[in-house]
Amino acid sequence: DTEVTQTPKHLVMGMTNKKSLKCEQHMGHRAMYWYKQKAKKPPELMFVYSYEKLSINESVPSRFSPECPNSSLLNLHLHALQPEDSALYLCASSHPGGVASGTPRTDTQYFGPGTRLTVL
Amino acid sequence: AQKITQTQPGMFVQEKEAVTLDCTYDTSDQSYGLFWYKQPSSGEMIFLIYQGSYDEQNATEGRYSLNFQKARKSANLVISASQLGDSAMYFCAMREGLRGSARQLTFGSGTQLTVLP
Repeated sequence: DTEVTQTPKHLVMGMTNKKSLKCEQHMGHRAMYWYKQKAKKPPELMFVYSYEKLSINESVPSRFSPECPNSSLLNLHLHALQPEDSALYLCASSHPGGVASGTPRTDTQYFGPGTRLTVL
Repeated sequence: AQKITQTQPGMFVQEKEAVTLDCTYDTSDQSYGLFWYKQPSSGEMIFLIYQGSYDEQNATEGRYSLNFQKARKSANLVISASQLGDSAMYFCAMREGLRGSARQLTFGSGTQLTVLP
């Protein structure tokens, strides 16, 4: 069973709506990620938070606004989305990473079940 | 240039047989990690197995094993005794170097595996 949860499971919204996606993890991880995935394609990284600070923003449009209120929670605020933003949004968490003694740590990313977003 | 290449868009295997899913990678880093994830139609990405670049032995996790050939830069996933529930999309991914304090994964294009009864 996944220890990363995401709500809602499905979301349908109009282009003028404001909504939020929520992700929660109880694995003690200090890095959290948002990915966007289109059908039959690999996930595309959107944002990375490390120790509650935004460390990577992959040139995502400003209509997507991430927030990390604490080490367990990650939100993605949505506003004025376009139909092409319809996708599966995946959250993941991991240890933040770092090389110790020349041996890479296993910073496996664990994913939540995703939110299927449809923008009308 | 593609960093992770999965050349098999779709594969079929008979139930109870073994199947190998191919993955080749490209990196100039000495320190990197290779991962396999399974994604059923429900959408969740399920972590299967990890291989570190310094690991001398091939990783194994139950029915999953990773055939790691460092010189050839390949990290093929072997699933033994296939089950109907193994039908899913499988992604190979690589984590290399450091970027900030969290590491980024690069995914391959995926292989859709179908297990036939």
